[in-house]
Amino acid sequence: KQEVTQIPAALSVPEGENLVLNCSFTDSAIYNLQWFRQDPGKGLTSLLLIQSSQREQTSGRLNASLDKSSGRSTLYIAASQPGDSATYLCAVKDTGNQFYFGTGTSLTVIP
Amino acid sequence: DVKVTQSSRYLVKRTGEKVFLECVQDMDHENMFWYRQDPGLGLRLIYFSYDVKMKEKGDIPEGYSVSREKKERFSLILESASTNQTSMYLCASSRVTQYFGPGTRLTVL
Repeated sequence: KQEVTQIPAALSVPEGENLVLNCSFTDSAIYNLQWFRQDPGKGLTSLLLIQSSQREQTSGRLNASLDKSSGRSTLYIAASQPGDSATYLCAVKDTGNQFYFGTGTSLTVIP
Repeated sequence: DVKVTQSSRYLVKRTGEKVFLECVQDMDHENMFWYRQDPGLGLRLIYFSYDVKMKEKGDIPEGYSVSREKKERFSLILESASTNQTSMYLCASSRVTQYFGPGTRLTVL
């Protein structure tokens, strides 16, 4: 069964810093990988989706990379802002219809 | 924009009650999912459905059932609510990208 791990569980950085969030998965036979943001008490908002054939995706200040063979993905956030404070989750989709989620990284950006 | 709505944001029920959580999506997605989210445990899949009247058990189906009579609607049923079912329940739909509803925080007293 696919297992997804996110390290660190929590991260606190000063405003303006660039940062990297990590996601690792145990089975490289994935269909895609998705990064989400979750604000307290709310649902998940999709940030970026990387297909298994892709190496990276970019949206604004966010860049996600995928190294399927090593079972790793990173989410790079440039020039962090207090509004980026949230929990970030990664999820991998297997070749069926199931998604497997990490437990998330709680990010705090200090003004 | 894809919209996934859930019938309630907050719900308080008593032990033993039958509870219905409804989810509706407006993008004609085949796949729909029910998760629960608990601190330290992340999202755990309860059930998913890949077509009308089709359902598959996820990781934690015990104590739950589902119904999908129409493509846009996926219902989660707690047959006899128990206190250990107090949680945040999240519905999602997908074709490729997964889209989530706002969640229902259920408290069982």
